[in-house]
This record gives sequence, C-alpha cells and structure tokens, in this order.
Amino acid sequence: DAGITQSPRHKVTETGTPVTLRCHQTENHRYMYWYRQDPGHGLRLIHYSYGVKDTDKGEVSDGYSVSRSKTEDFLLTLESATSSQTSVYFCAIRTGLNTEAFFGQGTRLTVV
Amino acid sequence: SQQGEEDPQALSIQEGENATMNCSYKTSINNLQWYRQNSGRGLVHLILIRSNEREKHSGRLRVTLDTSKKSSSLLITASRAADTASYFCATDARGQGAQKLVFGQGTRLTINP
Repeated sequence: DAGITQSPRHKVTETGTPVTLRCHQTENHRYMYWYRQDPGHGLRLIHYSYGVKDTDKGEVSDGYSVSRSKTEDFLLTLESATSSQTSVYFCAIRTGLNTEAFFGQGTRLTVV
Repeated sequence: SQQGEEDPQALSIQEGENATMNCSYKTSINNLQWYRQNSGRGLVHLILIRSNEREKHSGRLRVTLDTSKKSSSLLITASRAADTASYFCATDARGQGAQKLVFGQGTRLTINP
C-alpha cells in the first residue's frame, strides 16, 4: 500500500461537535484530496490541496474546512457536525495531475 | 453535479463471462481513469487512458475512450469471483478545474460462481 494513513478509522460524535479527520502521507506527493462516499452518490470531492497552504473547494464543501500546514498532513474539519455528514471519508494522494491516485482505507464517521 | 456517470449501476454475471461497464462524462478531459473498490476498502487504481488514446489493455482489462461521445467503457474478460467489487471512473478535466479528480457513482459488479 502507498504510505497513506487516515485517522481515526471510526468515530461516533454528537451533532454540533467539531470533528477533525487526519490524512497522513509518507510519499511526499503534492496533491491531496478528501472525498465522502455515500450510497447512491459514489465519491464526491469535498476539498483538495495542491501544495502546502494551497487548498480549494470541491463539489460538496459546505460545512467542511481543511488545512495543510505540512506536505504530509491534510486535515478535514467539520466545524459543527450534522447528521447529514454521517459518511465514509476517504483521503487520496497523487504526485501530480494526470497521474493515478492512491487512497487511504477510509474513516467511517457517524453523527448522532 | 458529478463529472462521470457509470452505467449500469449494478451488474450480475456468471463466472467466466465478460463484464462491460460504461462511463459518460461532461467536460473536456486530459485523461480518464478506472478504479476498483472492494467492500469496505479504499479504491485501487486499475488503468489510465489519455485523451489522445482510443484503447488500452492491462491483463484482462480493456478500456476504450471515445472523446467525441464523451464516454468510456471498461471490459473485464473471463470474469472471476474475485472480480466482485465496485468500479468507478474518474476524470482529470482540461482547463478550469484541472486539479480536481472527479469520480462517478460507480458500477457494482457481482460475479456468480
């Protein structure tokens, strides 16, 4: 497996609480992505990063923020979790555009 | 809305048969990729086809790309039970949004022994 680790792997949290998911890579890849996966929707892009402190929104960014202060870490924060954010979250990395992406094992988040 | 849309959403065939999945997309692309996901796992890259290529092979996989129709197909020949998984296409758009990697909804493939 590519050197990409997501933490935590599972989390249950209450509505209204902040939650931070971490994606850590050891590959020194430039691009990092956060997706959510829900039945019937496939993978939807939340945010992505194209370098340290360089991030941009994806198609479902509302309610999420990200930060990348180091090449190896890409954090996804739910400022105030809602039940609609219950999902499986995947991080992906790649060296550059037009290259294959490597995925983490996913984080299953349940908001109750 | 998502760039890629797969068809069919679900496919069930007998072991040994060929499986064909289709992907349609909306904007001009630099390349199209196919990924596989086993239940509960992360996605694994299968094959990448560039916009100037029409067909590509990798083992039992054959991918075609028709940029005039904005569509691609993934053919798995001589299917095996281990091919049971979900398959996704993803596109690298050209121009604005080129840094995004956008996925479709996927096709759930079941191979019956």
